[in-house]
Amino acid sequence: QLQLQESGPGLVKPSETLSLTCTVSGESVTSYYWSWIRQPPGEGLEWIGYIYYSGNTNNNPSLKSRVTMSVDTSKNQFSLKLNSVTAADTAVYYCARHLRAHGYFYDAFDIWGRGTMVTVSS
Amino acid sequence: EIVLTQSPGTLPLSPGERATLSCRASQSVRNAYLAWYQQKPGQAPRLLIYGASSRASSIPDRFSGSGSGTDFTLTVSRLEPEDFAVYYCQQYGSSPFTFGQGTKLEIK
Repeated sequence: QLQLQESGPGLVKPSETLSLTCTVSGESVTSYYWSWIRQPPGEGLEWIGYIYYSGNTNNNPSLKSRVTMSVDTSKNQFSLKLNSVTAADTAVYYCARHLRAHGYFYDAFDIWGRGTMVTVSS
Repeated sequence: EIVLTQSPGTLPLSPGERATLSCRASQSVRNAYLAWYQQKPGQAPRLLIYGASSRASSIPDRFSGSGSGTDFTLTVSRLEPEDFAVYYCQQYGSSPFTFGQGTKLEIK
């Protein structure tokens, strides 16, 4: 059964880099597209970006060029780095799998991790 | 960027009643690439509907979606106690993919 597990520091200082990893169990990371999505406390959802194991990525322009994503096929993981963080980056961060249906990939998300809370504070 | 506006913000209903949730897009959603998610407190969102009207795996048939262009609807035909949650729509027709602000379905 496919499972996604986010991991990383729960507290990051302002201006530093937020680093998170999503470990994929029960499926190869090379088989799907993967996204990061975040949710500030009490607020809605914001898509951050996606990655494919080939290196194909697409990021939300709202985060400008602060986002870097990568895939480690040897560990069956993918990762997110968000630099120059501020308090506005405080959120629950989710990793998620893109839907595959009828032989095509779609940019909806059918499997999610449980999420990890990241607080930006000095 | 496509802005999604959900209404109402809160919907108080009783178990057994029918729920109708709306999602309106600021511009047409390509190919009706519109999804609906359910989120309960402390949990990740769960995909209910994709392509405006296709139910995701293991989703009960009391959940249905409809719509095209800029207007989409999620209907829950007969509310069960476990259906009270927050519902989000999401468009994936154009990047960046965006979510609505959510509708909270609460017990009256």
